[in-house]
Amino acid sequence: DIQMTQSPSTLSASIGDRVTITCRASQSIGPWLAWYQQKPGKAPRLLIYKASSLESGVPTRFSGSGSGTEFTLTISSLQPDDFATYHCQQYNSQFTYTFGQGTKLEIK
Amino acid sequence: QITLKESGPTLVRPTQTLTLTCTFSGFSLTTTGVGVGWIRQPPGQALEWLAVIYWHGEERYNPSRKNRLTISKDASKNQVVLSMINMDPADTATYYCVHRRAGYGLFDFWGQGTLVTVSS
Repeated sequence: DIQMTQSPSTLSASIGDRVTITCRASQSIGPWLAWYQQKPGKAPRLLIYKASSLESGVPTRFSGSGSGTEFTLTISSLQPDDFATYHCQQYNSQFTYTFGQGTKLEIK
Repeated sequence: QITLKESGPTLVRPTQTLTLTCTFSGFSLTTTGVGVGWIRQPPGQALEWLAVIYWHGEERYNPSRKNRLTISKDASKNQVVLSMINMDPADTATYYCVHRRAGYGLFDFWGQGTLVTVSS
């Protein structure tokens, strides 16, 4: 099974900061990675797919990069609405899907 | 507009079987490439994919949960049902029904989730 590891688990940042979250796969998954944002008590929301494609309606301050085993989600200038938990998910195999453990982005 | 909504018991006793229904609208589960799945999240923990059923009826399960899960669909009713046998307190979680985008293994629409507590 493919394992996904996110780092850091928790990140403290301020409004306007540029932040980066990393997701590593235990084996190559090509570009087949998605990022989701989840706020407390809510379902996750798709932000990025195929490692770097921005989902419709998602602000352009969000961007994704990477391929193979290492991926990053970057928020160029943090806004108050961005404080949430972020999850990565691999879909290299169409038959099994795996999530990372999540990264909680907190206000410093 | 795609919507999904989960329904089922909020409390299940240990060893019992959990049956959850997902009722969806805004798409057809007969459309090539589409799937409907289930993902759960224990309180304060990570998301875990459980199962997906595809437009052509193929079922896929998380290998570590496969022996406890059954997913089925009634496309005419726009419903997908997940059954999980032998429930344990460790299965306490919010269970989400999700739409799998055609051609991709990602989940672009989510239900609101339903919290299932396993307790005697």
